[in-house]
Amino acid sequence: DIQMTQSPSSLSASVGDRVTITCRASQSISTYLNWYRQKPGKAPILLVYAASTLQSGVPSRFSGSGSETDFTLTISSLQPEDFGAYYCQQTYSAPRTFGPGTKVDI
Amino acid sequence: EVQLVESGGGLVQPGGSLRLSCTVSGFTFSDHYMDWVRQAPGRGLEWVGRSRNNPATYTMEYAASVKGRFTISRDNSKNSLYLQMNSLKTEDTAVYYCARETKYNSYGDYDCWGQGTLVTVSS
Repeated sequence: DIQMTQSPSSLSASVGDRVTITCRASQSISTYLNWYRQKPGKAPILLVYAASTLQSGVPSRFSGSGSETDFTLTISSLQPEDFGAYYCQQTYSAPRTFGPGTKVDI
Repeated sequence: EVQLVESGGGLVQPGGSLRLSCTVSGFTFSDHYMDWVRQAPGRGLEWVGRSRNNPATYTMEYAASVKGRFTISRDNSKNSLYLQMNSLKTEDTAVYYCARETKYNSYGDYDCWGQGTLVTVSS
């Protein structure tokens, strides 16, 4: 199975800050990497798919990059509504593992 | 409007069974692969399994933690996805989400999720 790790596990930042979350796969997954954000008590929403493609409707301050084993999600200018838990997920092979999550507090 | 609505959650004793349903509307269900994802209280997301869109042709896929105990099925005529859960354990306690895989690319991302249904396994 492919293991996913994320760092940091949590962070606290201010409005306007640039925030970067890292996701690492235990083996190459090409660009089969998606990012989700989940707010408390709510279902996750898709932010980025295929490592770097922004989902329709997602603000342009979000961006994704990376390939093979190392990926990043960047928020260029953190906004109050960006709080929540961020998860990466690999869809290269089953089981389609998620990273443990990064909690973002503002 | 695209909607996914889970139902069937509740309290069940260890060793018991429960069947979850996910009924969809607003899109052509038979065009999409569908997945189940769960989240234990205070924990992260865990992939449970996957249904390709033609169950007569393809097999389902399962996480090791549920394989042999959980069964995914679907009825395209009823726009519904199911999760039959048997031999439930306390560690199966979680909110269970159904999620739609996009049909617009090959990356299998979930572009739509249900609101989730809570399953509590406890004596």
